[in-house]
Amino acid sequence: DGGITQSPKYLFRKEGQNVTLSCEQNLNHDAMYWYRQDPGQGLRLIYYSQIVNDFQKGDIAEGYSVSREKKESFPLTVTSAQKNPTAFYLCASKTGQGNHEQYFGPGTRLTVT
Amino acid sequence: EDQVTQSPEALRLQEGESSSLNCSYTVSGLRGLFWYRQDPGKGPEFLFTLYSAGEEKEKERLKATLTKKESFLHITAPKPEDSATYLCAVQVFTGGSYIPTFGRGTSLIVHP
Repeated sequence: DGGITQSPKYLFRKEGQNVTLSCEQNLNHDAMYWYRQDPGQGLRLIYYSQIVNDFQKGDIAEGYSVSREKKESFPLTVTSAQKNPTAFYLCASKTGQGNHEQYFGPGTRLTVT
Repeated sequence: EDQVTQSPEALRLQEGESSSLNCSYTVSGLRGLFWYRQDPGKGPEFLFTLYSAGEEKEKERLKATLTKKESFLHITAPKPEDSATYLCAVQVFTGGSYIPTFGRGTSLIVHP
Protein backbone atom coordinates (compact mmCIF):
# COMPACT_ATOMS: atom_id res chain seq x y z
CA ASP A 1 0.00 0.00 0.00
CA GLY A 2 1.27 3.46 -0.92
CA GLY A 3 1.05 6.19 1.64
CA ILE A 4 2.68 8.45 4.16
CA THR A 5 3.79 7.30 7.56
CA GLN A 6 4.61 9.45 10.56
CA SER A 7 6.13 8.19 13.74
CA PRO A 8 5.58 8.15 16.56
CA LYS A 9 1.88 8.95 16.93
CA TYR A 10 2.43 10.47 20.39
CA LEU A 11 5.66 12.04 21.60
CA PHE A 12 6.50 13.53 24.98
CA ARG A 13 9.56 15.65 25.69
CA LYS A 14 10.92 17.87 28.39
CA GLU A 15 11.38 21.55 27.71
CA GLY A 16 14.84 22.35 26.35
CA GLN A 17 15.22 19.10 24.40
CA ASN A 18 15.33 18.84 20.64
CA VAL A 19 13.05 16.23 19.10
CA THR A 20 12.83 14.81 15.56
CA LEU A 21 9.58 13.77 13.94
CA SER A 22 9.72 11.20 11.18
CA CYS A 23 7.88 11.38 7.84
CA GLU A 24 8.25 8.75 5.13
CA GLN A 25 6.33 8.36 1.85
CA ASN A 26 6.34 5.64 -0.80
CA LEU A 27 4.15 7.50 -3.28
CA ASN A 28 7.13 8.67 -5.34
CA HIS A 29 6.05 12.26 -4.73
CA ASP A 30 8.54 15.05 -5.31
CA ALA A 31 7.08 17.61 -2.90
CA MET A 32 6.77 17.21 0.85
CA TYR A 33 5.40 19.54 3.53
CA TRP A 34 5.26 19.98 7.29
CA TYR A 35 2.28 21.65 8.95
CA ARG A 36 1.43 22.49 12.51
CA GLN A 37 -2.17 22.38 13.72
CA ASP A 38 -3.36 23.94 16.99
CA PRO A 39 -6.92 23.72 18.37
CA GLY A 40 -9.24 25.97 16.40
CA GLN A 41 -6.53 26.79 13.90
CA GLY A 42 -6.05 25.76 10.34
CA LEU A 43 -2.91 24.13 9.06
CA ARG A 44 0.12 26.42 9.22
CA LEU A 45 3.04 25.68 6.95
CA ILE A 46 6.41 25.14 8.66
CA TYR A 47 8.71 23.97 5.85
CA TYR A 48 8.33 22.48 2.42
CA SER A 49 10.57 20.75 -0.07
CA GLN A 50 9.99 20.50 -3.81
CA ILE A 51 13.03 18.36 -4.54
CA VAL A 52 15.74 16.37 -2.81
CA ASN A 53 18.43 18.48 -1.09
CA ASP A 54 16.30 21.61 -1.29
CA PHE A 55 13.71 23.08 1.08
CA GLN A 56 12.09 26.42 1.87
CA LYS A 57 10.73 28.06 4.97
CA GLY A 58 7.00 28.33 5.40
CA ASP A 59 5.05 30.82 7.47
CA ILE A 60 6.22 29.63 10.90
CA ALA A 61 9.71 28.15 10.41
CA GLU A 62 11.34 29.72 13.48
CA GLY A 63 12.46 27.07 15.96
CA TYR A 64 12.23 24.23 13.42
CA SER A 65 14.69 22.59 11.03
CA VAL A 66 14.36 19.99 8.27
CA SER A 67 16.44 17.93 5.87
CA ARG A 68 15.64 16.25 2.57
CA GLU A 69 18.44 13.82 1.83
CA LYS A 70 16.14 11.22 0.24
CA LYS A 71 13.02 11.59 -1.87
CA GLU A 72 11.09 9.38 0.52
CA SER A 73 11.99 11.10 3.77
CA PHE A 74 11.46 14.58 5.22
CA PRO A 75 12.20 14.64 8.98
CA LEU A 76 11.32 17.67 11.09
CA THR A 77 13.34 18.69 14.14
CA VAL A 78 11.62 20.77 16.77
CA THR A 79 14.41 22.64 18.53
CA SER A 80 14.54 24.10 22.00
CA ALA A 81 14.23 27.53 20.36
CA GLN A 82 10.60 26.84 19.47
CA LYS A 83 8.70 28.69 22.19
CA ASN A 84 5.44 26.79 22.04
CA PRO A 85 6.15 23.35 20.55
CA THR A 86 3.15 21.44 21.89
CA ALA A 87 0.92 20.81 18.87
CA PHE A 88 -0.30 18.29 16.29
CA TYR A 89 2.20 17.96 13.45
CA LEU A 90 1.16 16.82 9.98
CA CYS A 91 3.34 15.76 7.09
CA ALA A 92 2.03 15.83 3.52
CA SER A 93 3.25 15.12 0.03
CA LYS A 94 2.12 15.76 -3.51
CA THR A 95 3.29 14.97 -6.97
CA GLY A 96 5.13 17.73 -8.77
CA GLN A 97 4.87 21.48 -8.29
CA GLY A 98 1.54 21.97 -10.02
CA ASN A 99 -2.09 22.00 -9.05
CA HIS A 100 -2.38 18.66 -7.34
CA GLU A 101 -3.93 17.56 -4.09
CA GLN A 102 -1.86 16.73 -1.06
CA TYR A 103 -1.78 13.41 0.73
CA PHE A 104 -1.40 13.57 4.50
CA GLY A 105 0.11 11.30 7.08
CA PRO A 106 -1.68 10.36 10.31
CA GLY A 107 0.08 13.07 12.33
CA THR A 108 2.27 13.19 15.43
CA ARG A 109 1.00 14.79 18.62
CA LEU A 110 3.93 16.37 20.45
CA THR A 111 3.64 17.37 24.08
CA VAL A 112 6.45 19.34 25.70
CA THR A 113 6.38 19.93 29.44
CA GLU B 1 -4.62 38.99 6.18
CA ASP B 2 -6.50 35.74 5.69
CA GLN B 3 -6.53 34.56 2.11
CA VAL B 4 -8.95 31.74 2.89
CA THR B 5 -11.93 32.17 5.22
CA GLN B 6 -14.28 29.38 6.14
CA SER B 7 -17.71 29.76 7.69
CA PRO B 8 -19.32 28.85 9.91
CA GLU B 9 -16.61 27.78 12.38
CA ALA B 10 -18.94 25.12 13.74
CA LEU B 11 -22.19 23.63 12.52
CA ARG B 12 -24.59 21.26 14.25
CA LEU B 13 -27.17 19.45 12.14
CA GLN B 14 -29.77 16.82 12.71
CA GLU B 15 -29.47 13.72 10.61
CA GLY B 16 -31.12 14.41 7.27
CA GLU B 17 -30.90 18.20 7.63
CA SER B 18 -29.09 19.50 4.53
CA SER B 19 -26.78 22.53 4.71
CA SER B 20 -23.76 24.21 3.14
CA LEU B 21 -20.28 25.16 4.24
CA ASN B 22 -18.59 28.21 2.79
CA CYS B 23 -14.99 28.90 1.76
CA SER B 24 -14.22 32.41 0.51
CA TYR B 25 -10.82 33.36 -0.87
CA THR B 26 -9.01 36.54 -1.85
CA VAL B 27 -6.09 35.18 -3.87
CA SER B 28 -5.83 36.33 -7.46
CA GLY B 29 -5.34 33.87 -10.25
CA LEU B 30 -6.80 30.83 -8.56
CA ARG B 31 -4.87 27.68 -9.38
CA GLY B 32 -7.04 25.16 -7.64
CA LEU B 33 -9.31 25.00 -4.61
CA PHE B 34 -9.25 21.86 -2.50
CA TRP B 35 -11.64 20.39 0.05
CA TYR B 36 -10.44 17.95 2.71
CA ARG B 37 -12.15 16.07 5.49
CA GLN B 38 -10.34 15.64 8.83
CA ASP B 39 -11.46 13.29 11.59
CA PRO B 40 -10.31 14.02 15.17
CA GLY B 41 -6.68 13.09 15.74
CA LYS B 42 -6.09 12.11 12.12
CA GLY B 43 -4.61 13.63 8.99
CA PRO B 44 -6.85 15.35 6.42
CA GLU B 45 -8.30 13.22 3.65
CA PHE B 46 -8.68 14.67 0.16
CA LEU B 47 -12.23 15.14 -1.14
CA PHE B 48 -12.34 17.43 -4.17
CA THR B 49 -10.36 19.75 -6.41
CA LEU B 50 -12.07 22.59 -8.27
CA TYR B 51 -10.20 24.65 -10.86
CA SER B 52 -12.61 27.06 -12.51
CA ALA B 53 -15.76 29.01 -11.71
CA GLY B 54 -18.88 27.03 -12.44
CA GLU B 55 -17.23 23.70 -11.79
CA GLU B 56 -19.04 21.18 -9.59
CA LYS B 57 -18.01 17.82 -8.15
CA GLU B 58 -19.97 15.24 -6.20
CA LYS B 59 -19.20 12.34 -3.93
CA GLU B 60 -21.98 10.53 -2.11
CA ARG B 61 -23.79 13.18 -0.01
CA LEU B 62 -21.23 15.90 -0.73
CA LYS B 63 -21.23 18.38 -3.59
CA ALA B 64 -18.61 21.08 -4.06
CA THR B 65 -19.16 24.16 -6.19
CA LEU B 66 -16.93 27.08 -7.14
CA THR B 67 -17.50 30.73 -8.05
CA LYS B 68 -14.94 33.46 -8.66
CA LYS B 69 -14.88 34.37 -4.97
CA GLU B 70 -15.99 31.36 -3.00
CA SER B 71 -16.69 27.68 -2.85
CA PHE B 72 -19.53 25.83 -1.19
CA LEU B 73 -19.58 22.32 0.17
CA HIS B 74 -23.19 21.18 0.14
CA ILE B 75 -24.14 18.28 2.38
CA THR B 76 -27.39 16.58 1.46
CA ALA B 77 -29.24 14.50 4.04
CA PRO B 78 -26.17 14.14 6.27
CA LYS B 79 -25.55 11.14 8.48
CA PRO B 80 -23.68 11.02 11.81
CA GLU B 81 -20.65 9.54 10.02
CA ASP B 82 -20.33 12.82 8.10
CA SER B 83 -19.28 14.48 11.37
CA ALA B 84 -15.75 15.85 10.88
CA THR B 85 -13.84 19.05 10.28
CA TYR B 86 -13.92 20.16 6.66
CA LEU B 87 -10.90 22.11 5.44
CA CYS B 88 -10.60 24.29 2.37
CA ALA B 89 -7.30 25.21 0.73
CA VAL B 90 -6.25 27.32 -2.25
CA GLN B 91 -3.01 27.26 -4.18
CA VAL B 92 -0.87 30.37 -3.81
CA PHE B 93 1.99 30.92 -6.23
CA THR B 94 5.09 31.51 -4.08
CA GLY B 95 8.76 31.20 -4.94
CA GLY B 96 8.10 29.47 -8.22
CA SER B 97 5.76 26.88 -6.77
CA TYR B 98 2.10 26.47 -5.90
CA ILE B 99 1.80 26.28 -2.14
CA PRO B 100 -1.52 25.34 -0.51
CA THR B 101 -2.97 27.84 1.98
CA PHE B 102 -5.59 26.48 4.33
CA GLY B 103 -8.62 27.97 6.03
CA ARG B 104 -9.35 27.23 9.68
CA GLY B 105 -12.00 24.69 8.87
CA THR B 106 -15.64 24.08 9.71
CA SER B 107 -16.38 21.58 12.45
CA LEU B 108 -19.52 19.65 11.53
CA ILE B 109 -21.49 17.55 14.01
CA VAL B 110 -24.46 15.55 12.77
CA HIS B 111 -26.77 14.31 15.49
CA PRO B 112 -28.75 11.09 14.99
